[in-house]
Amino acid sequence: GESVGLHLPTLSVQEGDNSIINCAYSNSASDYFIWYKQESGKGPQFIIDIRSNMDKRQGQRVTVLLNKTVKHLSLQIAATQPGDSAVYFCAENTSGTYKYIFGTGTRLKVLA
Amino acid sequence: GAVVSQHPSRVICKSGTSVKIECRSLDFQATTMFWYRQFPKQSLMLMATSNEGSKATYEQGVEKDKFLINHASLTLSTLTVTSAHPEDSSFYICSARDAQAFTGELFFGEGSRLTVL
Repeated sequence: GESVGLHLPTLSVQEGDNSIINCAYSNSASDYFIWYKQESGKGPQFIIDIRSNMDKRQGQRVTVLLNKTVKHLSLQIAATQPGDSAVYFCAENTSGTYKYIFGTGTRLKVLA
Repeated sequence: GAVVSQHPSRVICKSGTSVKIECRSLDFQATTMFWYRQFPKQSLMLMATSNEGSKATYEQGVEKDKFLINHASLTLSTLTVTSAHPEDSSFYICSARDAQAFTGELFFGEGSRLTVL
C-alpha cells in the first residue's frame, strides 16, 4: 500500500476552542489535497479540498492551509464541537492520476 | 452529494472460505474505483485501483490472486477475498470518483468489516 501504517496521534481540545490538525504530505508533485473525517466504524467523509494554486481555503467552520514549500497541510476547525470528534486524514493527489495517498491520520478528541 | 454504497457492512466467515464485498455508486458513474484496507487505529492503505472494463491495478505487496477485483459496470466494483484467513480480518473501504465531475473528490463507502474465524 501507499500510506504508512502508524498508530494515530491524538489531539485533545476543549469544546469551543479552535483545533489545528497538521499533515505532512510526501509528493512535491501533488497538486490536489483533501481533508477527510472518519468516525468510528464508518467510511471517510469529505470535509474540504484545496488545489496547489491556492494557499488557503475556507469552508463552514473549517479552513485548510497549504504550504507547498515545506509540503505541509493543516486543517483548522473553529469552535470545536463534540460532533467533531473523529479521525482526520489528509489525502494528496497528482493531476492526471486518480490515486490518492492518505496521511497517517490524527484522532481529535473534544473534551466537554 | 454523491453516494457510494458498500455491502455487506459486516461479515464473519470461516477460515478458507471466500467473501465478496460490493461497492456501488448510486447516483453517478465511476470508471475508476479504489479499494482500501484499514487496520485498527491506522490509516487507509490503497490495495488496488479498479478500472471499469479492464484489469485492476494492484499496489505493491497486494496479492492479486488473493484479492480478486471485478469492475463489470460503471456503477459496480466487487472485491473477493479468496481463501480467507484470520490475518485478512480488516476494515475494507471502497471509494469512487464521479467520471463527470470537475472536482477530483473521492466518495467513500461506509466500509465492510471482515472477521475471519
